[in-house]
Amino acid sequence: EAAVTQSPRNKVAVTGGKVTLSCNQTNNHNNMYWYRQDTGHGLRLIHYSYGAGSTEKGDIPDGYKASRPSQENFSLILELATPSQTSVYFCASGWGGQDTQYFGPGTRLLVL
Amino acid sequence: GQQVQQSPASLVLQEGENAELQCNFSSTATRLQWFYQRPGGSLVSLLYNPSGTKHTGRLTSTTVTKERRSSLHISSSQTTDSGTYFCARAGGNNKLTFGQGTVLSVIP
Repeated sequence: EAAVTQSPRNKVAVTGGKVTLSCNQTNNHNNMYWYRQDTGHGLRLIHYSYGAGSTEKGDIPDGYKASRPSQENFSLILELATPSQTSVYFCASGWGGQDTQYFGPGTRLLVL
Repeated sequence: GQQVQQSPASLVLQEGENAELQCNFSSTATRLQWFYQRPGGSLVSLLYNPSGTKHTGRLTSTTVTKERRSSLHISSSQTTDSGTYFCARAGGNNKLTFGQGTVLSVIP
């Protein structure tokens, strides 16, 4: 079973502050993804990556940056957090192609 | 517009009853998957079913690609089946577009 971990698991931030959410996977998957989950919207893709050094915009990238410094790590960065970014964030990894995605446990972010 | 629509939004069953969840997608899906999320938990892949009928345990999924629909049938529901079920359409490089989910509550 693929192992995807996220940190922190819970975060409270202030409006205008910088927030970094981290994701680590130990299965050498090429692709990694960041989603947010809000009531009534399911999960929506923010950014994704094909491998170390690459980041691509997903469906809702505004207000977010991503960084993939290595095969194992993929970060989501909120440079200027806003209350509308309060959500649960999930990281996932996979080989791409017809492989499924393996999800981390999620990070609950509250922006005050 | 919404590319993946799920119905019903919620469903309450007595333990032992069967559940039928529906998913409609707006374009021909390259891959269609069903996921399960326990309350407050992460997502777990249940079935990958781009077309035809697939089974695993008490779960059966039927996808009719040209009609752009998929269903998930849960037989003999148990209280531990309670949670949210998502269908997701996979596009290029396996990017997933999720439906809004069906919240299933199975009561003893």
